Amino acid sequence: AQSVTQLDSQVPVFEEAPVELRCNYSSSVSVYLFWYVQYPNQGLQLLLKYLSGSTLVKGINGFEAEFNKSQTSFHLRKPSVHISDTAEYFCAVRPIQGAQKLVFGQGTRLTINP
Amino acid sequence: SAVISQKPSRDICQRGTSLTIQCQVDSQVTMMFWYRQQPGQSLTLIATANQGSEATYESGFVIDKFPISRPNLTFSTLTVSNMSPEDSSIYLCSVLTGPGANVLTFGAGSRLTVL
Repeated sequence: AQSVTQLDSQVPVFEEAPVELRCNYSSSVSVYLFWYVQYPNQGLQLLLKYLSGSTLVKGINGFEAEFNKSQTSFHLRKPSVHISDTAEYFCAVRPIQGAQKLVFGQGTRLTINP
Repeated sequence: SAVISQKPSRDICQRGTSLTIQCQVDSQVTMMFWYRQQPGQSLTLIATANQGSEATYESGFVIDKFPISRPNLTFSTLTVSNMSPEDSSIYLCSVLTGPGANVLTFGAGSRLTVL
C-alpha cells in the first residue's frame, strides 16, 4: 500500500517570495508522482508529474518539483509566487504496476499575501 | 487530455433522499474512478467502474450506499443513497489520460449539501 504525507497543512507567503511545499511518500513498489492544484470552488488540475527520466520536472504556472528516491520525497517549488497561486495543493502517488489507484496527501493550503 | 462533464455541478438535498451524479467523457476509456472530497479534506477513492462488470469498491464504501452504473465506455453514474449530512461532499469523476494512460484527469466535481 502507498501513503502520502504533506508536511504542512497551511503555508502563508508574501507575493513574489519563493515557496516550497513538502511531500513525502511511502511505498513498497515503484510509483509515479503527481502534484495537483485545486483553486477555490474548482476541480483538480494537474500541475506536474514524474513518470521517469530527469528527476527535476517542470509544470504549469512556473512550478517545478524534484523527485528524490532515497528520501522518498517530491517537494514542489516556485521561485516567485503570485496572488493567483492561492489554492490547495495535493501530492499524489500511483503504483507503476498493478492497481491504478491514486493515493492523495492531505493537501497544503497556500495563501499568498500582498 | 479527455474532457469530463459532470452533472449536477451542485445540489442541495434532503436527508433520506438519493441523488444520481452523471459523468460523461469525450472519449472511450476502460476505467472510470469516483472520488469523494469531504469538506476541508483530501480525496478518497470510492470505487473503480469498468464497462461490462461490477464496480470495485474501496474499503469503507459499499454498493448499497453508492451504486454505480457503467453502461458504455464514455459514461458512468454514481448514486448517493439515503443521504445524511455526513454525505455532504464534492464527488469527482476521473479517468486515466495521456500517453500510456498514466495521468488521472478529473471532472469539475459535484458539490452536494445534505440538510
